[in-house]
Amino acid sequence: LAKTTQPISMDSYEGQEVNITCSHNNIATNDYITWYQQFPSQGPRFIIQGYKTKVTNEVASLFIPADRKSSTLSLPRVSLSDTAVYYCLVGDRGKNQGGKLIFGQGTELSVKP
Amino acid sequence: NAGVTQTPKFRVLKTGQSMTLLCAQDMNHEYMYWYRQDPGMGLRLIHYSVGEGTTAKGEVPDGYNVSRLKKQNFLLGLESAAPSQTSVYFCASSLGQGRVDRYNEQFFGPGTRLTVL
Repeated sequence: LAKTTQPISMDSYEGQEVNITCSHNNIATNDYITWYQQFPSQGPRFIIQGYKTKVTNEVASLFIPADRKSSTLSLPRVSLSDTAVYYCLVGDRGKNQGGKLIFGQGTELSVKP
Repeated sequence: NAGVTQTPKFRVLKTGQSMTLLCAQDMNHEYMYWYRQDPGMGLRLIHYSVGEGTTAKGEVPDGYNVSRLKKQNFLLGLESAAPSQTSVYFCASSLGQGRVDRYNEQFFGPGTRLTVL
């Protein structure tokens, strides 16, 4: 399971776009990149997942360059309710891996009014 | 759908006592997981299961045992609790495999806050 590196914390203001970059230099061919969000006193929640290029859903976009050694989670026009810890995870989705996730420290995003 | 539920929500134990944490899911998920989260840290995988009757060790399995006798339930046991096991415990489940794109998405329960004195 590839190790990931992401900023410990970030600050933003309401209405701004927030980009959180994750480094994963040792990503393997079969690895996917997944981001989870965790609010205080709650379990993490899946945000987005991708393998290459760009993925977009109703809450975020995920940008993955061609070499896949990093990825960027983009949150458009954040609000106070986006204050949370964001985890970048890299791993093989295959059955042999048991779907295991390795969580790092995550990035604590603080959105201010 | 209740999703993933955990029992109990809070518990205080004395050193050496034993207890079992119960995780239940009603999504017919194949895979289930137990994590612990300590203050200021990410989650660490304790044990996991890829199907009824199967279990496997994660990153930090020492001091814990698990059982998956029924597909919908995953039990985490502490035989002799230690202060180092004071933590918040999260259970999660996922489809595990299939044609759905997000089959590996893990759904987490609300957590159990355990204090060992």
